[in-house]
Amino acid sequence: RKEVEQDPGPFNVPEGATVAFNCTYSNSASQSFFWYRQDCRKEPKLLMSVYSSGNEDGRFTAQLNRASQYISLLIRDSKLSDSATYLCVVRHYNQGGKLIFGQGTELSVKP
Amino acid sequence: GAGVSQSPSNKVTEKGKDVELRCDPISGHTALYWYRQRLGQGLEFLIYFQGNSAPDKSGLPSDRFSAERTGESVSTLTIQRTQQEDSAVYLCASSLGPDQPQHFGDGTRLSIL
Repeated sequence: RKEVEQDPGPFNVPEGATVAFNCTYSNSASQSFFWYRQDCRKEPKLLMSVYSSGNEDGRFTAQLNRASQYISLLIRDSKLSDSATYLCVVRHYNQGGKLIFGQGTELSVKP
Repeated sequence: GAGVSQSPSNKVTEKGKDVELRCDPISGHTALYWYRQRLGQGLEFLIYFQGNSAPDKSGLPSDRFSAERTGESVSTLTIQRTQQEDSAVYLCASSLGPDQPQHFGDGTRLSIL
């Protein structure tokens, strides 16, 4: 079993839809949590960090449930430009900062 | 440029050959990471450098893989006697420190024939 697991996808949604990505992690030593975005044949880019209290950045809302070891990302009013692969990422405390990635969920927003 | 630079962008080579991949981190970034991304998969951690030393090599898949860093700057990832399963995008990232945001290069797309 992979340490970070995501919905397999792909998700195909119309513009304006709300879409939710789910992620679970198995190692309770995980300390920091992130969502990265990766466009086709490009490098991953940090979308947002995820905090225990939940956090929002415009149309994007991230939540963390440490008890359930569950992370989510909600995109409201999706745009064509949101089409990408979304990667759930964790980092362990005091392990040099290496990032552990989920396999990613592909999102395709259609007109 | 100010970002992480990797070269070559693409490399096609025959099975059994050795390859060297290069990473130029952002100036002043002491932490440097190599990751591998196979087709349709997430990134896999390979190795972490703090300065010129590598405290975590746990992700290197076999002894055919090695990496070094010099001058607290450029890093080279070497794959000896390449195999077809080594085909992947190899990504380098750097950060100001181990718990700081990592900035990724564009990667080297390696294809083993």
